[in-house]
Amino acid sequence: QKEVEQNSGPLSVPEGAIASLNCTYSDRVSQSFFWYRQYSGKSPELIMSIYSNGDKEDGRFTAQLNKASQYVSLLIRDSQPSDSATYLCAVLNTGGFKTIFGAGTRLFVKA
Amino acid sequence: DVKVTQSSRYLVKRTGEKVFLECVQDMDHENMFWYRQDPGLGLRLIYFSYDVKMKEKGDIPEGYSVSREKKERFSLILESASTNQTSMYLCASSPGLAGLNEQFFGPGTRLTVL
Repeated sequence: QKEVEQNSGPLSVPEGAIASLNCTYSDRVSQSFFWYRQYSGKSPELIMSIYSNGDKEDGRFTAQLNKASQYVSLLIRDSQPSDSATYLCAVLNTGGFKTIFGAGTRLFVKA
Repeated sequence: DVKVTQSSRYLVKRTGEKVFLECVQDMDHENMFWYRQDPGLGLRLIYFSYDVKMKEKGDIPEGYSVSREKKERFSLILESASTNQTSMYLCASSPGLAGLNEQFFGPGTRLTVL
């Protein structure tokens, strides 16, 4: 079992819809969780971080964390073609120094 | 604005050559990382450093070494390049306790080993 698992996609949604990206992790005591966006040919950039159970909203983005289920998700409301990218889920391991990245989910937003 | 720069965007080397990849950050970050990114495998940590002259192995250190002589610079060395080291190499830095804060990535170096 991979430490951080994501559906590779591609996930295709129409413009204006909600895109839902999911991630599961294996380290039960992980405390820090991140979502990075990576455009094709570019390097990753952080869009959300979440540390406690529940929802965290930032503009059109909402991160959801459920530690009991070891599950993190990212919702993108009113999806735009410019949101088309690969989204990487990342989890800080219990040692506190290593961030484990998932392989990413490719999102396509159709105009 | 945090800036992480890498010495080359594209590099082509021959099997057996020694390869140096340089990374420089301008935000006085304590932590620096080297990853490689391959399709379907995501980002894999090669080495990281939390202080000058300090280094720690990541998940895939074999065939690589690193050097951090100055706080702003973290070098990745392929002692004898092999074809299975063809990949995208990404450097990142972060302030404070590693992982609790955002990692800022450089533009990447696409290395091809022939």
